[in-house]
Amino acid sequence: DTEVTQTPKHLVMGMTNKKSLKCEQHMGHRAMYWYKQKAKKPPELMFVYSYEKLSINESVPSRFSPECPNSSLLNLHLHALQPEDSALYLCASSQQGDSLGEQYFGPGTRLTVT
Amino acid sequence: AQSVTQLDSQVPVFEEAPVELRCNYSSSVSVYLFWYVQYPNQGLQLLLKYLSGSTLVKGINGFEAEFNKSQTSFHLRKPSVHISDTAEYFCAVRNDQTGANNLFFGTGTRLTVIP
Repeated sequence: DTEVTQTPKHLVMGMTNKKSLKCEQHMGHRAMYWYKQKAKKPPELMFVYSYEKLSINESVPSRFSPECPNSSLLNLHLHALQPEDSALYLCASSQQGDSLGEQYFGPGTRLTVT
Repeated sequence: AQSVTQLDSQVPVFEEAPVELRCNYSSSVSVYLFWYVQYPNQGLQLLLKYLSGSTLVKGINGFEAEFNKSQTSFHLRKPSVHISDTAEYFCAVRNDQTGANNLFFGTGTRLTVIP
């Protein structure tokens, strides 16, 4: 199984809502990532988890809160978002501790903040 | 620090014609290089990667890329494109010195195959 799954596929939320994005992989990968991708732009790294611990936070606003409950699951909790946060949110995973570095991406969650 | 430059933001090409998508990188240390493809409304899929060894790398869907250390380039090529190759293509670099698996993406090249 070389698949990264993300739910939901689409999400529309108001600026006062609280919602969560979910990402799951069963490849035994111990590194997981959240990226944000605006239209016609490359993915921008937000967070990196390594062995279920947050290792990188790319100065992301606190209205985005990541969580890694176990080695297969990665969540992104959203609260009080702004319309400019509307984007495609991509999750990825990779093996940790080796030098291959290949990341496997999920299909993304298309988020619209109204 | 490392960076990736994709000079061509858009490349139109006729069906069955060859195509080259350019990628240049800058890094003071050894790098691993990747090409990813993104079809509309989808995530990224790995096309091919250069880690070490042969500088000519073959990937999926008939694509190949050549690592050129002296020119710091990793251009992607396909001898004959299909309509289904229409997509966004991202070149990415990973620095193997930091121990992290961070990828740095180029700005992408939109390949449009014209019937």
